[in-house]
Amino acid sequence: RKEVEQDPGPFNVPEGATVAFNCTYSNSASQSFFWYRQDCRKEPKLLMSVYSSGNEDGRFTAQLNRASQYISLLIRDSKLSDSATYLCVVRTYTGTASKLTFGTGTRLQVTL
Amino acid sequence: DAGVIQSPRHEVTEMGQEVTLRCKPISGHDYLFWYRQTMMRGLELLIYFNNNVPIDDSGMPEDRFSAKMPNASFSTLKIQPSEPRDSAVYFCASSPGQGVNGANVLTFGAGSRLTVL
Repeated sequence: RKEVEQDPGPFNVPEGATVAFNCTYSNSASQSFFWYRQDCRKEPKLLMSVYSSGNEDGRFTAQLNRASQYISLLIRDSKLSDSATYLCVVRTYTGTASKLTFGTGTRLQVTL
Repeated sequence: DAGVIQSPRHEVTEMGQEVTLRCKPISGHDYLFWYRQTMMRGLELLIYFNNNVPIDDSGMPEDRFSAKMPNASFSTLKIQPSEPRDSAVYFCASSPGQGVNGANVLTFGAGSRLTVL
């Protein structure tokens, strides 16, 4: 089983739609969670951290469910500019070191 | 700040040749990471350094791959000899720390796209 698994995508949604992505992680010791966004042929960039109580940043809402070991990202009122690949990222601490593990990403295409 | 600087941006080489990828992290960042990205496997961590010291190289695929960080502002990833299956985008990233604070996350360079024929 992969350490971090995401919806395969692609998700094709019309502008203005609400879309949600899920991500599951296998290591219950994982402590920090993030969503990164990667545009085509560009580098990944941090979209938002995911906090235990859930958090919102404008049209974006992230949720964490530690019991079920999944993370979600909700995008409301989708814009054309939201088209990108969304990477779920999990940080796991082992002693004094830590490791960031990336999911393979979910591609979103927002259309007119 | 210029961000994380990688070179070359694109490299096409023939099987068996040596490839050297370079990275300049953001000044003041103590951690440097090398990732490889392919369609099939996504982003894979190859190795990371803390204060120029390699901490975890378990992701380095085999002995053909080596990475160095001679000082705080420069790192190299070398593949010798290169093979077609090494074709991928190689990203360097840096981080000021590893705390749970959301500020301590990775800033990626633009990547080096490697094609081995």
